[in-house]
Amino acid sequence: KAGVTQTPRYLIKTRGQQVTLSCSPISGHRSVSWYQQTPGQGLQFLFEYFSETQRNKGNFPGRFSGRQFSNSRSEMNVSTLELGDSALYLCASSSSTGQPNSPLHFGNGTRLTVT
Amino acid sequence: AQSVTQLDSQVPVFEEAPVELRCNYSSSVSVYLFWYVQYPNQGLQLLLKYLSGSTLVKGINGFEAEFNKSQTSFHLRKPSVHISDTAEYFCAVSLRAGNTGKLIFGQGTTLQVKP
Repeated sequence: KAGVTQTPRYLIKTRGQQVTLSCSPISGHRSVSWYQQTPGQGLQFLFEYFSETQRNKGNFPGRFSGRQFSNSRSEMNVSTLELGDSALYLCASSSSTGQPNSPLHFGNGTRLTVT
Repeated sequence: AQSVTQLDSQVPVFEEAPVELRCNYSSSVSVYLFWYVQYPNQGLQLLLKYLSGSTLVKGINGFEAEFNKSQTSFHLRKPSVHISDTAEYFCAVSLRAGNTGKLIFGQGTTLQVKP
């Protein structure tokens, strides 16, 4: 079974631009969540989607948004990029039910650098 | 609110020595507990999880962890480490109740195994 695939692996953007990151979950998984990882703040939850519906959202500004498609693939978008958005963005998928006891399977992340 | 504290940011240890990575959590409701490992330039990989039952859980790569409800701890142990265990380790919790797979992570512990 293929793992969670995130594209692109690396991205360099300029302040004020917007960016879209893509995530393909493990086949059969319907829950997809996104995390931001930085040296200072660690791993922080962005949002979670299940069957195309956002069912949980972290404490991030509205510039951060996401969506999930009918095939469970997900995208996240960051508009008006700031230097502080530089981070590793991790996508994770879990099971067909996405229940709290289902372990998350992570992709290798997208490294976003904002200059 | 829930929180996870990993008591050591870095743990240096010699190869073949035992190691313990400490994790305490705070929550007013019941949680599931997880340990994940992150190797350089990769995503997170599940080491082990505590859902219910025996408080001693065994995971991959020879790791085990013990859930202590009274001390709200979930320490990770390995009796003999290898150079290849050098990585960052994250303790995490998810809420038992609630329709979400959201994880709350600790700040991570860097395990550095020396030859």
